[in-house]
Parts: sequence; structure tokens; C-alpha cells
Amino acid sequence: GAVVSQHPSRVICKSGTSVKIECRSLDFQATTMFWYRQFPKQSLMLMATSNEGSKATYEQGVEKDKFLINHASLTLSTLTVTSAHPEDSSFYICSARRLAGGSDEQFFGPGTRLTVL
Amino acid sequence: AQSVTQLGSHVSVSEGALVLLRCNYSSSVPPYLFWYVQYPNQGLQLLLKYTSAATLVKGINDFEAEFKKSETSFHLTKPSAHMSDAAEYFCAVRGDSNYQLIWGAGTKLIIKP
Repeated sequence: GAVVSQHPSRVICKSGTSVKIECRSLDFQATTMFWYRQFPKQSLMLMATSNEGSKATYEQGVEKDKFLINHASLTLSTLTVTSAHPEDSSFYICSARRLAGGSDEQFFGPGTRLTVL
Repeated sequence: AQSVTQLGSHVSVSEGALVLLRCNYSSSVPPYLFWYVQYPNQGLQLLLKYTSAATLVKGINDFEAEFKKSETSFHLTKPSAHMSDAAEYFCAVRGDSNYQLIWGAGTKLIIKP
């Protein structure tokens, strides 16, 4: 099956610092990856769609200068939370879109728990 | 445009009892529908999906869901609940553009011993 990894799984940082989260598709190529944010006891909120070789598409209300997305290769997308503040603390989940054999499916990473002190 | 409604933020059943988690959708085009499960502090795992083939879809761990167009529903069932089924369950429909998933609010399944 398709595997998507995220690194780190958990990060604690001081307010004002930047944090980079990596999302990798381990056994398939993904031209499209998605970044979600999940607040406690809530559903997933799509933040942005990451497209390999082009700029990410951000959802309404998501600050593109705050959440930098880089999709540098067909297997790697990164989300950088710049100048993090305590309100950025959340669970961040990525997914990668796989197109193969007539199927079109998203596979999810295990998530990254960000805590900003 | 698509949307998903999950009835009941919490569902509690006894171990061994039937599990029924409700999902209703709206879609202007034939929908692709999904159920995902999320265990605490983990990512999402696909349970099953409907992609316009058979209306009764079987997934992992004995879960199944039936697509009912007339009722715009895609309810998730399992004949006999197990303690390990305790988790958050999300219903989703694929959006019109960019293959985004439109998510329901989630239902937390609680299993009583």
C-alpha cells in the first residue's frame, strides 16, 4: 500500500521561531499534496493544496506568508510555520494524491503535533 | 458544491452491539464518498470508499457502508463492536475542484464494556 510519512511527529518550540514539517510519499510520486490543520475534537481544515513545481493554492483565511509551502519534488512537500505563536499550536496532517491504475486516492500522513510555548 | 453532515458528535454502543454512524451528503455531481478512522494522536486511515460501483461497500475491520442515492446517505455500520473500534470517524465527499475532500465534523465512537 501507499505510505506517507511526516517528520517530525511532535515538536515543541518557543514563540517567534519557525518550524518546518516534512511530508513524504515513500513509494509513489505525488504531484499534489494537501496540508490540513486539526483543532482538538474537530474535523480537518484544509489549509492549502501543494503542487509540485508551482505555487501552493491557499484556502481562504490561511496566511500564505505565515504558512510557507514548498513542493520541491514529486515525493516531498514542506510546511513551514513562520514566527510561530501559541495559537498556531495544532495537529497538522498532510496527504498525498496518488494517481495509478485508474484510481485516484489520497493517502494521509500520521500527523505532526505542534506546540508553541 | 458538496457538503457532508454527520449526525451525532458522539455515539456510544456496548461491546458486541451494532455500530451505526450516520453520514448524509449533498452533491451536484455523482459523488465519491469515503469513511476514515482516526485513532488518538494519529493520522487518518481509509476504512472504505464508494466510487460509483457497488452500492454496498465493504471495508476493513468488518465495516461496511451503503450508498443510498434517494436518501443522500452513506451510513457506516459494523455488526459487532469491539473495544478497539473506539476512535473518531470521518465521512468525506470528494469536491468538484482539485480533488479536495470535503469533511464531515466527525463522530466519536465510544465502546462500553
